Amino acid sequence: SQELEQSPQSLIVQEGKNLTINCTSSKTLYGLYWYKQKYGEGLIFLMMLQKGGEEKSHEKITAKLDEKKQQSSLHITASQPSHAGIYLCGADPSGSNYKLTFGKGTLLTVNP
Amino acid sequence: DTAVSQTPKYLVTQMGNDKSIKCEQNLGHDTMYWYKQDSKKFLKIMFSYNNKELIINETVPNRFSPKSPDKAHLNLHINSLELGDSAVYFCASSQGALYNEQFFGPGTRLTVL
Repeated sequence: SQELEQSPQSLIVQEGKNLTINCTSSKTLYGLYWYKQKYGEGLIFLMMLQKGGEEKSHEKITAKLDEKKQQSSLHITASQPSHAGIYLCGADPSGSNYKLTFGKGTLLTVNP
Repeated sequence: DTAVSQTPKYLVTQMGNDKSIKCEQNLGHDTMYWYKQDSKKFLKIMFSYNNKELIINETVPNRFSPKSPDKAHLNLHINSLELGDSAVYFCASSQGALYNEQFFGPGTRLTVL
């Protein structure tokens, strides 16, 4: 079964700093999803990457999928306290989209 | 105008009891899911339903029985609750397969005493 490794497990940054979260797969990814979860809440969809080398941005968050489609990174520029939460990468292991396998998450704390 | 809603938000019960969690989506999606997030925040798929039919069952104990009365609802019934069932359960929905975003509900925090 496909496993997703996220790094780091947790991250504490000062407001205004840039940061990167990585997600590595043991197998080729058919689709790579980034979600954000705030404590006690559901998951909020951020971005989905499908093609090797693809890059997407939304506001100050940029996600990339490498050419081999086995690693993705999520980069936040000029972090703000509102960026704090748990970031989860999820992947579609079979191309069916009938289930997502998730990494264990990265807990991001942004200190004002 | 909540997209995916779950009830209850919190559920505290004794070991051995039977309980249900309800999920409804008003997005017109044809696929719904149940995920379990354990104390270490690890999120794992349990079931997925497409057009009221079971598509995925990820080796979940028989004590867990999902029921989809229509495309907008996917309920989760749990028999003989055990301590290890304590977790946050998330419902989600999407439109079909292939690279479509899954919309998640707010979660139900189940505590088994």
